[in-house]
Amino acid sequence: GESVGLHLPTLSVQEGDNSIINCAYSNSASDYFIWYKQESGKGPQFIIDIRSNMDKRQGQRVTVLLNKTVKHLSLQIAATQPGDSAVYFCAENDPRRAAGNKLTFGGGTRVLVKP
Amino acid sequence: DAGVIQSPRHEVTEMGQEVTLRCKPISGHNSLFWYRQTMMRGLELLIYFNNNVPIDDSGMPEDRFSAKMPNASFSTLKIQPSEPRDSAVYFCASSYYLQVPSNQPQHFGDGTRLSIL
Repeated sequence: GESVGLHLPTLSVQEGDNSIINCAYSNSASDYFIWYKQESGKGPQFIIDIRSNMDKRQGQRVTVLLNKTVKHLSLQIAATQPGDSAVYFCAENDPRRAAGNKLTFGGGTRVLVKP
Repeated sequence: DAGVIQSPRHEVTEMGQEVTLRCKPISGHNSLFWYRQTMMRGLELLIYFNNNVPIDDSGMPEDRFSAKMPNASFSTLKIQPSEPRDSAVYFCASSYYLQVPSNQPQHFGDGTRLSIL
């Protein structure tokens, strides 16, 4: 989806619990998706990516799920830690765009981890 | 490995002054992006380059903004004259791009926080 930036949805999670962050996208032609984490005062940091020929990909404590039928992307964080508190962005790439690699960012979700 | 390096980290200046933001992409990356982030509008793509050539500058707000990439290891974003509404955090990102899109992630610098008084 397009970045709106006006109001960030917030997810409050108890330390140790699992977190699920959702992202809906509208472009059915998008074939590459990325999750970024942005901490205060820093730039977005790459977490994990997934291509449209996959529906699941796992990293260290993170899993990304892609449902192309309903155009939905999710990021699961296992055993959430205080250091996971940040704003999380999804981003997508449409291969029809000239000279690829251009991303469209979602508006972001703030994750707050409670001790 | 060194990431994307931006300078300065903070810039405060009076309206009407020229502002120059600098970016050094990750070595070997051939695609460079300039973004602006504000609370109101979120993360906006301003312009991007592939192999030092500007590809899409449709996000540049107006003629007061210009960007250059004289070589593979350096880019500038210039605002002249600056206005208070240009206050934002400006990010530079780089990635590796092949002629046939290979879908590589962009890696961001820590940004320049710009305040125009």
